[in-house]
Amino acid sequence: DVQLVESGGGLVKPGRSLRLSCTASGFTFDNYDIYWIRQAPGKGLEWVGLVRSKTYGGTTHYAAPLRGRFTISRDNSRNIAYLEMNSLKTEDTGIYYCSRGDMGASYFWGLGTLVTVSS
Amino acid sequence: EIVMTQSPATLSVSPGDRVTLSCRASQSITNNLAWYQQKPGQPPRLLVHGASARATGVPATFVGSGSGTDFTLTISSLQSADFAVYYCQQYHDWPLTFGGGTNVEIK
Repeated sequence: DVQLVESGGGLVKPGRSLRLSCTASGFTFDNYDIYWIRQAPGKGLEWVGLVRSKTYGGTTHYAAPLRGRFTISRDNSRNIAYLEMNSLKTEDTGIYYCSRGDMGASYFWGLGTLVTVSS
Repeated sequence: EIVMTQSPATLSVSPGDRVTLSCRASQSITNNLAWYQQKPGQPPRLLVHGASARATGVPATFVGSGSGTDFTLTISSLQSADFAVYYCQQYHDWPLTFGGGTNVEIK
């Protein structure tokens, strides 16, 4: 079965950094794009960015407001994708999901990891 | 970036009702549109991709339609399990973007 498991969330102070992981199993990891999507408490879904599959050279794309602060990468040997978040702000608080990109849509999702940015 | 606008924000309906949710793109996205359902405390679930193709296991009561800039998701007979928030998402161009969601609640 396809599984995606996010980890690395927690409480962090404004201005600090945090790295989230998305550990995948049940499929050929390097054949698929991996997306990161977040959801602030009580709000809608916000696409954060993605790291493309091996076919597309692992290139990345980001939501414009997050470009420069957030970095997505992948380790195909370990079936893990990462979301590195720097200079965190209180408005970055929320649940962070990773999903598998299937021709653009997200068929499979993890359960998410909660990030709380607060002093 | 492509802006996705959903309407209405909230829909109060009764079980058995027919429901139509709307999603509009700020520019043509051909048929590169997905619909998701999200219930409290759960990740989203893909319902429709390619504007009209149901995902595996999604009942035939969910029908997606549209192309270009205007899309709809119709639920032909609302069941109790269908009360949730619904999001559309375009994957025509980077960055991918979601609509603000429609909350389908019990009247």
